[in-house]
Amino acid sequence: AQSVAQPEDQVNVAEGNPLTVKCTYSVSGNPYLFWYVQYPNRGLQFLLKYITGDNLVKGSYGFEAEFNKSQTSFHLKKPSALVSDSALYFCAVRDIGSGGYQKVTFGTGTKLQVIP
Amino acid sequence: DAGVTQSPTHLIKTRGQQVTLRCSPKSGHDTVSWYQQALGQGPQFIFQYYEEEERQRGNFPDRFSGHQFPNYSSELNVNALLLGDSALYLCASSLGSGTASGYTFGSGTRLTVV
Repeated sequence: AQSVAQPEDQVNVAEGNPLTVKCTYSVSGNPYLFWYVQYPNRGLQFLLKYITGDNLVKGSYGFEAEFNKSQTSFHLKKPSALVSDSALYFCAVRDIGSGGYQKVTFGTGTKLQVIP
Repeated sequence: DAGVTQSPTHLIKTRGQQVTLRCSPKSGHDTVSWYQQALGQGPQFIFQYYEEEERQRGNFPDRFSGHQFPNYSSELNVNALLLGDSALYLCASSLGSGTASGYTFGSGTRLTVV
């Protein structure tokens, strides 16, 4: 099965500073990778995806992610953090479930705290 | 354009009872996936419905069952509730498997089993 790992339970960053939320993946074949964000008591919102092409993927709310095949990583980044970016961030990967159908498997999540 | 609607938003049940959660997918989406998110954890895949059939299933017992209706809406049923079933249940709709265009999630149903 395909999987992703998020090594940090929590990331703290000062407002205005650049932020990075880490994700590594383990897949066979070409990876389809995603980032989702979850605000308190809400469902997940799609931020961005990597399927193929440019290694730097741009997404919603000024976020971007860098795909690195040699390091099997897909880190989420933003040049200048906002307090409103404080949320739970999930890395996810395309996986093949029973019957050969595709599904999305999520990591354990990283809580981002942006300090004013 | 309405997104994904889940009902109810909160629910409290007693051990051993049965519960039904409902989901209306985003307009234009034909596939519904259900996830369980325990406190402090990532969403865990329960099952996926397409064309009114369960197309794939995660590592959940048979106490968890579902249904998809002709209008693409879906229900998640859990029988013989256990304390460990307490979680946020998320419905995600997509066009196809969701691996190309991503999922649209509802806000979830918070189930508490006492």
